[in-house]
Amino acid sequence: QVHLVESGGGVVQPGRSLRLSCAASGFTFSRHTMHWVRQAPGKGLEWVAVIESDGINKYYADSVRGRFTISRDNSKNTLSLEMNSLRGEDTAVYYCARQENSLDYWGQGTLVTVSS
Amino acid sequence: QSVLTQPPSVSAAPGQKVTISCSGSSSNIGNNDVSWFQQLPGTAPKLLIYENNKRPSGIPDRFSASKSGTSATLAITGLQTGDEADYYCGGWDSSLSAGVFGGGTKLTVL
Repeated sequence: QVHLVESGGGVVQPGRSLRLSCAASGFTFSRHTMHWVRQAPGKGLEWVAVIESDGINKYYADSVRGRFTISRDNSKNTLSLEMNSLRGEDTAVYYCARQENSLDYWGQGTLVTVSS
Repeated sequence: QSVLTQPPSVSAAPGQKVTISCSGSSSNIGNNDVSWFQQLPGTAPKLLIYENNKRPSGIPDRFSASKSGTSATLAITGLQTGDEADYYCGGWDSSLSAGVFGGGTKLTVL
């Protein structure tokens, strides 16, 4: 069965960096476009970034463009999100999600808290 | 401010029907597929509807959806207390080259 497990969250000071990972299993990872979606405490879903299956095309939300970098390692079935220059408004649960017609499988999320 | 607009909340009694609207524009709903997600308290979102009106395996037919022009609607019939959740519409915006979600609608089953 499809399984997505995020890791790497934690408490980080404003301006610092953090790298999130998403370990995928149960499907052919290299054939799927993958997304990051976040949810601030008590708020709605916010799309963050997407990377196509071959890792070439990537798109970002305006709120993170230039600060976040999405990447993948198809040999290790891993999706990553490198987050730099973190701000308080980046505090959220970060979910990775698989695209198959839509976002059909989601991980359980990892919490990132940006605070001094 | 979300690109897609949903009502903040809806409510109905058990057994009744409720609809949730999602309004967008030609760059998103008007020319791209809409999905609907259910998020139960404390859990990750779950896909309910994809490609405007299709249900993934395991989603009961009490959940249905439609799209017309730049708007979409999710309908839930035979409401159950277990349907209490936040519901989000989502899709792709071709002008932004970005994914977009509605602000979410909290369903209360009275």
